[in-house]
Amino acid sequence: QKEVEQDPGPLSVPEGAIVSLNCTYSNSAFQYFMWYRQYSRKGPELLMYTYSSGNKEDGRFTAQVDKSSKYISLFIRDSQPSDSATYLCVTTDSWGKLQFGAGTQVVVTP
Amino acid sequence: EPEVTQTPSHQVTQMGQEVILRCVPISNHLYFYWYRQILGQKVEFLVSFYNNEISEKSEIFDDQFSVERPDGSNFTLKIRSTKLEDSAMYFCASRGQGAGYGYTFGSGTRLTVV
Repeated sequence: QKEVEQDPGPLSVPEGAIVSLNCTYSNSAFQYFMWYRQYSRKGPELLMYTYSSGNKEDGRFTAQVDKSSKYISLFIRDSQPSDSATYLCVTTDSWGKLQFGAGTQVVVTP
Repeated sequence: EPEVTQTPSHQVTQMGQEVILRCVPISNHLYFYWYRQILGQKVEFLVSFYNNEISEKSEIFDDQFSVERPDGSNFTLKIRSTKLEDSAMYFCASRGQGAGYGYTFGSGTRLTVV
């Protein structure tokens, strides 16, 4: 069983729509959760991190964590073409080694 | 915004040659990492480094790999005898101390072994 699973997409949405991304993890020891954005052939860029169940909002981005079901979500409101990228669900148990999902490719069409 | 700098951005090397990938982490960060991403695959952990020693390494990080922090600013990854399967993007990352810090990644070095 993979440690972190994401639907690879691509997920295509029209500009202005809400992008909804999901991720599941298998190891209950994971307690820190991050979403990174990666443009083609670039390094991952941290969008949000959280360490508790519940919602965390930052501008157009909302991260949601449900530790009881090992389920993580990222919502992007008012999506823009510049949001077109691969979104990586990432987790760790103790701020050591990161476990990456395979990423979900998002395409926002004008 | 502080950033992690990696050089070179792209390196082509012949199989069996040694390569050194260089990174300048964020200056007040204490934890340093190397990850790699083979084209079309997920990002994989290679090694973590803290207090001038390796704190954790993956199965990928075998005797062909080594890391060093030769001075107060650089962090290097050396591959002694490159193989075709070492072709990948290599990312350096650093992190400050405490749970409030995320990991900052560099833009990566694309290594092509021919």
